Amino acid sequence: DVKVTQSSRYLVKRTGEKVFLECVQDMDHENMFWYRQDPGLGLRLIYFSYDVKMKEKGDIPEGYSVSREKKERFSLILESASTNQTSMYLCASSSGTGGSPLHFGNGTRLTVT
Amino acid sequence: GQNIDQPTEMTATEGAIVQINCTYQTSGFNGLFWYQQHAGEAPTFLSYNVLDGLEEKGRFSSFLSRSKGYSYLLLKELQMKDSASYLCALPKKRGYSTLTFGKGTMLLVSP
Repeated sequence: DVKVTQSSRYLVKRTGEKVFLECVQDMDHENMFWYRQDPGLGLRLIYFSYDVKMKEKGDIPEGYSVSREKKERFSLILESASTNQTSMYLCASSSGTGGSPLHFGNGTRLTVT
Repeated sequence: GQNIDQPTEMTATEGAIVQINCTYQTSGFNGLFWYQQHAGEAPTFLSYNVLDGLEEKGRFSSFLSRSKGYSYLLLKELQMKDSASYLCALPKKRGYSTLTFGKGTMLLVSP
């Protein structure tokens, strides 16, 4: 079974802090993704990566950056957290080709105060 | 761009059959996914349709009509544990697993 692990289940940060959300997958998947999920807005793609050291912007990249130094690890960085970044963050991975399902981590609920 | 529409909420009774609809607009069709998400949990993969027709997988079936831009998820013999959000999703482009998700349909199954 694919396992996608997000380092924190809950996080509370202050406005202006730099925040790191970590995600690790154990299935040697090429593709990794960061989504955020908000009531009434659904899942929205922030950033994704198809290979080590490669990254591409999703639909809502503003205020975020990512890092993929190793194949199994994909980090989401909030350079200066703001209250509108309070959300559920979901990491996912997939094996690569079209039709491959996404495997999600359990999510990190981030609150920025 | 892509657009996906699903009803926001549905209710049904234990043991019944329910159909959750998804209509979509996309410039190039590369398959359609359905995911299930229980409250407070991660979405989990249910089905992937790329050809027209009905695909059955136990109590769950998924139907696709590419000409109509329409899909549905059919849940039979409903159980309380089927209470969840059901998400319809489209690949953003051919050969890639980046998905655009609909806002989801919250299904409540009552006794």
